[in-house]
Amino acid sequence: EAEVAQSPRYKITEKSQAVAFWCDPISGHATLYWYRQILGQGPELLVQFQDESVVDDSQLPKDRFSAERLKGVDSTLKIQPAELGDSAMYLCASSVTSGIADIQYFGAGTRLSVL
Amino acid sequence: GQNIDQPTEMTATEGAIVQINCTYQTSGFNGLFWYQQHAGEAPTFLSYNVLDGLEEKGRFSSFLSRSKGYSYLLLKELQMKDSASYLCAVRDRGSTLGRLYFGRGTQLTVWP
Repeated sequence: EAEVAQSPRYKITEKSQAVAFWCDPISGHATLYWYRQILGQGPELLVQFQDESVVDDSQLPKDRFSAERLKGVDSTLKIQPAELGDSAMYLCASSVTSGIADIQYFGAGTRLSVL
Repeated sequence: GQNIDQPTEMTATEGAIVQINCTYQTSGFNGLFWYQQHAGEAPTFLSYNVLDGLEEKGRFSSFLSRSKGYSYLLLKELQMKDSASYLCAVRDRGSTLGRLYFGRGTQLTVWP
């Protein structure tokens, strides 16, 4: 069964350092989502791509976060500089399109700890 | 904005039935999803409702009432492996197409 691949699984960094997360969606999925999940809460959307274009980044802290999906396939989320409050699980999800019945499939996530 | 409310924690015993409720407020409802998430793992899709009524899928069923802004997830014949967080998520017609808004999740503990 096809899966959303994410790496690394775990990342420990010091504040003010740069970190990057990678996501490879299920083959053929045009829509890609990056979520942040703080312990004890539900996932919150950071950015949504349709192919290579950003369609929603309203919740992305753009002063320190950036995301790209250059060829409309895999994607990278970067944080520079990291802050203590960025400690969370970063989840990537993909769906065939963004239709109302389209199911989002999640990757295993990257757990970030900022010290 | 969206306001999704579900209980924080629930407990049940093996073999029992448990119902996890979710209430929501949206400006334009466009579908409701339930996901299961084991600790430290990715959410996995359980069910989808867009019309009123019950959707059954094996031991899991999900119900929707759009007029009441209410859904529930029913888990039958509980097993220890059902111990997990259950996330309710809604789509809003007024938001970016495809975007999901998640509740905080209900942590279910199944005891032997």
